[in-house]
Amino acid sequence: GEDVEQSLFLSVREGDSSVINCTYTDSSSTYLYWYKQEPGAGLQLLTYIFSNMDMKQDQRLTVLLNKKDKHLSLRIADTQTGDSAIYFCAASREGDKIIFGKGTRLHILP
Amino acid sequence: ETGVTQSPTHLIKTRGQQVTLRCSSQSGHNTVSWYQQALGQGPQFIFQYYREEENGRGNFPPRFSGLQFPNYSSELNVNALELDDSALYLCASSLEGRGPSEKLFFGSGTQLSVL
Repeated sequence: GEDVEQSLFLSVREGDSSVINCTYTDSSSTYLYWYKQEPGAGLQLLTYIFSNMDMKQDQRLTVLLNKKDKHLSLRIADTQTGDSAIYFCAASREGDKIIFGKGTRLHILP
Repeated sequence: ETGVTQSPTHLIKTRGQQVTLRCSSQSGHNTVSWYQQALGQGPQFIFQYYREEENGRGNFPPRFSGLQFPNYSSELNVNALELDDSALYLCASSLEGRGPSEKLFFGSGTQLSVL
């Protein structure tokens, strides 16, 4: 079945860009997502991209998709302390359940 | 705020007991999904209910069961609790039974500890 892998930790200085990477195994995945989870909270959908797109930009967030390599990345520009959280990469086929990675904990250095 | 509320927020049970977790979906949402998130892991799909019928199930044993009510509230029941059932249980509601999952709205979860 589908597997989604991502690095577990990332430390970035405030004001720098953060880049979180993810790989997935199911080439039939139709939707690729980035979710954010803050302590004591549920999951917040940050953005998603259709598999026929290469890039999507939304304010400080840029998602890049390399479908050939099954690689997804999330870039957060001008990282702020409020961006400190766990970021989950996820994938799903059309109408199917979402498969999540284990999450990348983003730590912001002053 | 997603409009999805879960209760209780925390719960402690002992092995072998039964537990019921509750979720109140966003108004008008006819689909609810339940996920289990173990410590340090991503959420794993348990099952989904659409118009009060189970509409998809993940790799969880039958002792995990659910109900969805006409007012779109729902329950997750777990029988014969095991230590490995300790996790954060997340409920997510959406408007349709199928389609892009960007319409999923998650609650804050119930933290279940099994001793």
